[in-house]
Amino acid sequence: EVQLVESGGGLVQPGGSLRLSCAASGFSFINYAMNWVRQAPGKGLEWVSAISGGSGGDTYYPDSVKGRFTMSRDNSKSTLYLQMNSLRADDTAVYYCAKNMAASGTWDYWGQGTLVTVSS
Amino acid sequence: DIQMTQSPSSLSASVGDRVTITCRASQGISNNLAWFQQKPGKAPKSLIYAASSLQSGVPSKFSGSGSGTDFTLTISSLQPEDFATYYCQQYHGYPKTFGQGTKVEIK
Repeated sequence: EVQLVESGGGLVQPGGSLRLSCAASGFSFINYAMNWVRQAPGKGLEWVSAISGGSGGDTYYPDSVKGRFTMSRDNSKSTLYLQMNSLRADDTAVYYCAKNMAASGTWDYWGQGTLVTVSS
Repeated sequence: DIQMTQSPSSLSASVGDRVTITCRASQGISNNLAWFQQKPGKAPKSLIYAASSLQSGVPSKFSGSGSGTDFTLTISSLQPEDFATYYCQQYHGYPKTFGQGTKVEIK
């Protein structure tokens, strides 16, 4: 059974940093691209980042987080990371990790999410 | 960026109704479209990929169609567990973008 378990969320001050983790199990983690998606309170879904399978040499970000967020993976631990720096109030959201389907740009499994609150 | 526009933003329907949600892309995306269902307080669930292919375990009352810029999600006979918010998403290019969501409520 595929499981994705996010952790690391919490309250952080504007300008601060936070690192999210997503522990994966139930599939061959190294073979799949992975993503982070967020949802601000009461709002819709926003894709935040993607990383290629294998060594994770390719990463992608929307302009809203480019230069502030860094996605990485540790295949030996089957764990995904999102390093978030220079956090702003509008980064407040539930952050989900999502697994790519094989040979597809979309996703089949999601984690339960972790809440990040940016506030003074 | 490719903009995704869903309609309607919300709808009220009764159990047993046939429901159709529309999603329009600002440029052609071939069939690189997915649909997700989200219930309050829960993570999204993947329903459909490649515009019309059901994810494993998704009941056949859900169906998707379309290609290019215009897509639809249909629920053939609405059941109580189907009341949720539905999102379309294009994965034709980066950034991957979502529609604003369609909330399906009980009439």
